[in-house]
Amino acid sequence: DTGVSQDPRHKITKRGQNVTFRCDPISEHNRLYWYRQTLGQGPEFLTYFQNEAQLEKSRLLSDRFSAERPKGSFSTLEIQRTEQGDSAMYLCASSPALNTIYFGEGSWLTVV
Amino acid sequence: AQSVAQPEDQVNVAEGNPLTVKCTYSVSGNPYLFWYVQYPNRGLQFLLKYITGDNLVKGSYGFEAEFNKSQTSFHLKKPSALVSDSALYFCAVRDNASGTYKYIFGTGTRLKVLA
Repeated sequence: DTGVSQDPRHKITKRGQNVTFRCDPISEHNRLYWYRQTLGQGPEFLTYFQNEAQLEKSRLLSDRFSAERPKGSFSTLEIQRTEQGDSAMYLCASSPALNTIYFGEGSWLTVV
Repeated sequence: AQSVAQPEDQVNVAEGNPLTVKCTYSVSGNPYLFWYVQYPNRGLQFLLKYITGDNLVKGSYGFEAEFNKSQTSFHLKKPSALVSDSALYFCAVRDNASGTYKYIFGTGTRLKVLA
């Protein structure tokens, strides 16, 4: 059990550029979550996958955000035309069939 | 709609003293309740959970929490605080009757344990 892995850990990008984050969940965890956390706040739900199916999306996930989990294993979160307000830590978490979700170390995004 | 409140932004406690970090919740069905800890620039680490059964649950690093249905609370406790417990603590809830899969987190409580 190697834990949830996220890449890159840090990304600095210019406003208007696209960025993509990758998440590798704990093996055999069929549920995967993306959250966003800004300074001084708790994690905010973005989206949820069960296997390859995206079953729930937050209204926070504007049309500039897209997430995929094509084979039910790793997932990507893409942000198009980044804005300064997108600066945050993006957290991935995975879960087996029941209950506890386990987080990765997060991917920090700074938009300049 | 489900929600979580952590009424204290910060809790200060002397090393060796008992600590309590408060959490209240609101759900339409039965709650699944969790506590996580976050160290600077790190992800969240799972501490403990309540799903069903005994109201007092024990978790990692000597932490425990008590589920109180009538007060809709799930306070985190530890009998004797350590300086190394200083971190940001988050309470989370999932409503098992709402049809949603998401976990809702509180805004966090910063715990400072003073030597």
